Amino acid sequence: EPEVTQTPSHQVTQMGQEVILRCVPISNHLYFYWYRQILGQKVEFLVSFYNNEISEKSEIFDDQFSVERPDGSNFTLKIRSTKLEDSAMYFCASRLSGTPYEKLLFGSGTQLSVL
Amino acid sequence: DQQVKQNSPSLSVQEGRISILNCDYTNSMFDYFLWYKKYPAEGPTFLISISSIKDKNEDGRFTVFLNKSAKHLSLHIVPSQPGDSAVYFCAATGTGTASKLTFGTGTRLQVTL
Repeated sequence: EPEVTQTPSHQVTQMGQEVILRCVPISNHLYFYWYRQILGQKVEFLVSFYNNEISEKSEIFDDQFSVERPDGSNFTLKIRSTKLEDSAMYFCASRLSGTPYEKLLFGSGTQLSVL
Repeated sequence: DQQVKQNSPSLSVQEGRISILNCDYTNSMFDYFLWYKKYPAEGPTFLISISSIKDKNEDGRFTVFLNKSAKHLSLHIVPSQPGDSAVYFCAATGTGTASKLTFGTGTRLQVTL
């Protein structure tokens, strides 16, 4: 089965630094998502992206966050100035259509540690 | 704001027995429910889903039951196998929020020999 690929698997950064998390969604998928899981907590929705624009975002996704699909294959999440509380596992996901009945496939995640 | 709750953080079951994982939700707008399985250092993997127009959906060893009046769903795994040991997340979505899933906190299932 095709996979969603995320790089790097681990990212360590200093507070206040910018980070970019990268994802390669499944090639024919049209809807893209970022979720995150703080250690021991639930998986939380951050943002959804379709047709080169954000379709929905959560309260977590503030002005420090941005997403981009720069070249038709990569999907990136940028955190402009990281905070300690941004430390989490970040998951990229994609699906063929926007309907919930379409399986949402997740990548293996990027563990972000902000020191 | 815990719209989806999994009240049991962990569950231990003997191999061959039934595992029952429970999930409650509060948002009446949810009309589609999913279970995901997650191994360490991997992303969540879709397991099974159910629409609110049904009360049961079965796929091999996995069955999901939905009780809409109680806003409760459960995942039954029978027979349980050691490879089923993982964290199981209940998730929900609705036609008004079709693009995003709201997850529970997860239940860690340990299947012992």
